[in-house]
Amino acid sequence: KNQVEQSPQSLIILEGKNCTLQCNYTVSPFSNLRWYKQDTGRGPVSLTIMTFSENTKSNGRYTATLDADTKQSSLHITASQLSDSASYICVVSARSGGSYIPTFGRGTSLIVHP
Amino acid sequence: DSGVTQTPKHLITATGQRVTLRCSPRSGDLSVYWYQQSLDQGLQFLIQYYNGEERAKGNILERFSAQQFPDLHSELNLSSLELGDSALYFCASSPRGGINTGELFFGEGSRLTVL
Repeated sequence: KNQVEQSPQSLIILEGKNCTLQCNYTVSPFSNLRWYKQDTGRGPVSLTIMTFSENTKSNGRYTATLDADTKQSSLHITASQLSDSASYICVVSARSGGSYIPTFGRGTSLIVHP
Repeated sequence: DSGVTQTPKHLITATGQRVTLRCSPRSGDLSVYWYQQSLDQGLQFLIQYYNGEERAKGNILERFSAQQFPDLHSELNLSSLELGDSALYFCASSPRGGINTGELFFGEGSRLTVL
């Protein structure tokens, strides 16, 4: 069964600090991995996409890493801002029965305090 | 703005009732996905349509059904509603049947409250 596990479940940091969110997956065959940001009560928005051959990808203050061997990904947020407070969801896609079905992690809830 | 439109934004109804949620995908997107997100829970995949045809089915209850129309908009029908059906229902679209190359673009969700 395809699964995506994220840790920590929640995280509180002070504004300006860095943090790293983790994602472990057992999804096969692996197609890609995306990190989404979901503000409270809003739809998720894609931050980054990682394919099998990519190890690191940055999007502003967000840097995602992927280790396809250990099936782990991380999302590093640098110099956090209050607007970073949100749920961060790891989504891993695999091909299944001719279609591509994403498997969602439950998300890490990040709260940035001033 | 993702370009995906969902209506209604909020809906309050009673147990046993039936509701219909509507989704208009981004212009040109052929795939529509429906997700359920209960309080403090992750997104649960319900069903996917591609160009009018059901492509994949997730944890969708038999009381729920969906369809995608020729103009590519989709509707999610929820019947015999129970208290536990209270949740945010998200629609997402993508340009192709799969998402190996494209991302999912989510609407703002429809918040259903069953009393």
